Amino acid sequence: QVQLMESGGGVVQPGGSLRLSCAASGFSFNDYGMQWVRQAPGKGLESVAFIRHDGSTIFYADSVKGRFIISRDNSKNTLYLQMNSLRPEDTAMYYCAKSFYSGNSGLIHYWGQGTLVTVSS
Amino acid sequence: EIVLTQSPATLSLSPGERATLSCRASQSVSSYLVWYQQKPGQAPRLLIYDASNRATGIPARFSGSGSGTDFTLTISSLEPEDFAVYYCQQRSNWLWTFGQGTKVEIK
Repeated sequence: QVQLMESGGGVVQPGGSLRLSCAASGFSFNDYGMQWVRQAPGKGLESVAFIRHDGSTIFYADSVKGRFIISRDNSKNTLYLQMNSLRPEDTAMYYCAKSFYSGNSGLIHYWGQGTLVTVSS
Repeated sequence: EIVLTQSPATLSLSPGERATLSCRASQSVSSYLVWYQQKPGQAPRLLIYDASNRATGIPARFSGSGSGTDFTLTISSLEPEDFAVYYCQQRSNWLWTFGQGTKVEIK
């Protein structure tokens, strides 16, 4: 079955950096788009970044553009999110998510359990 | 950015009752509207995609309708496991956006 296992979250000071990873299994990773979605404590869902199955298309939310970098290693079945210049408003649960289709699809078929990022001094 | 407005914010119902949740988009999203269910401490789960298609394993009591800017998720008869928060999402244009959620709680 599909499994998405996030790691790399933690507590970081404002201005700091973190790298999130998502290890995928149970499907052909290089055939599907992947994305990161975050949820601040007690709040709703927010799309953060998307990467096409082959890495040829990448989208970012304006709120993270220029600070976050999404990437993938299809040989390792792993998705990444490099988070730089972190701000308190980046505090959230970060979910790794698998697209339903290949191509540029926002339809999320499966979600990981999330990794918590807390930005605080 | 397409804004999705969900109503009501909270729906207080009893098991066996019918739930009707609304999602309105600030501009047309055609049929590219998705519904997810989220229970406390869990990741969201796909329920309905492209307005009216049930995802694999989703019970028939869940149905979706609508197109353009107005969409509805209906739960025909609430089961105890259906009490949760429901989010709509548009996948028409990046930035894919979510509504703020409707909490279905036990009355």
